[in-house]
Amino acid sequence: ETLMAQSPATLSVSPGEGATLSCRASQSVSSNLAWYLQKPGQAPRLLIYGASARATGIPARFSGSGSGTEFTLTISSLQSEDFAVYYCQQYNNWPRTFGQGTKVEIK
Amino acid sequence: EVQLVESGGGLVQPGGSLRLSCAASGFTFTSYAMSWVRQAPGKGLEWVSSISGRGNGVNYADSVKGRFTISRDYSKSTLYLQMNSLRAEDTALYYCAKLPNEALVRYFDSWGQGTRVTVSS
Repeated sequence: ETLMAQSPATLSVSPGEGATLSCRASQSVSSNLAWYLQKPGQAPRLLIYGASARATGIPARFSGSGSGTEFTLTISSLQSEDFAVYYCQQYNNWPRTFGQGTKVEIK
Repeated sequence: EVQLVESGGGLVQPGGSLRLSCAASGFTFTSYAMSWVRQAPGKGLEWVSSISGRGNGVNYADSVKGRFTISRDYSKSTLYLQMNSLRAEDTALYYCAKLPNEALVRYFDSWGQGTRVTVSS
């Protein structure tokens, strides 16, 4: 099983500041890596796929990078609606696996 | 607009069975792979099962293999998850998710709102 480790577990950021979230895979997943955002009481929403491609309707302040085992999600200037839990997920190997999540909270 | 509406959750005793449904609309059901993903209370996301667009490819998490069966009814544009021999650790919110094409090697581009399953005596 491909283990996905996200860091940090919690990130405290002021609105308008940037944030960098990390995701590390226990084995290569190529570029088959997605990022999701989940707000309390809501379903997850796709942000990034293919490690760096923004999903439809996702603002340009979200960007993804990386390949192989190291990945990063960068939010350039946090808006109020961005405070949530972020998950990475690999879809290269079976079983599909998610990271444990990074909670981005208001500082 | 893609819509995925789950139903069928509820309270069931350990060892019992449930069948979850996911009614899909807004897209050509045959052309897209589908999945179930669950989230235990206060926990992260766990992939459960996937089925290809044509239904000829399925995969399961080891934790549910042999107990859960994924299927789809094209005439009703509905995805199912038959869950047997339920355990307390199956307690979760179960999401139906759509993949972006027929193949299984893809991410989840649309999600339903989930249906809650509680396994308890």
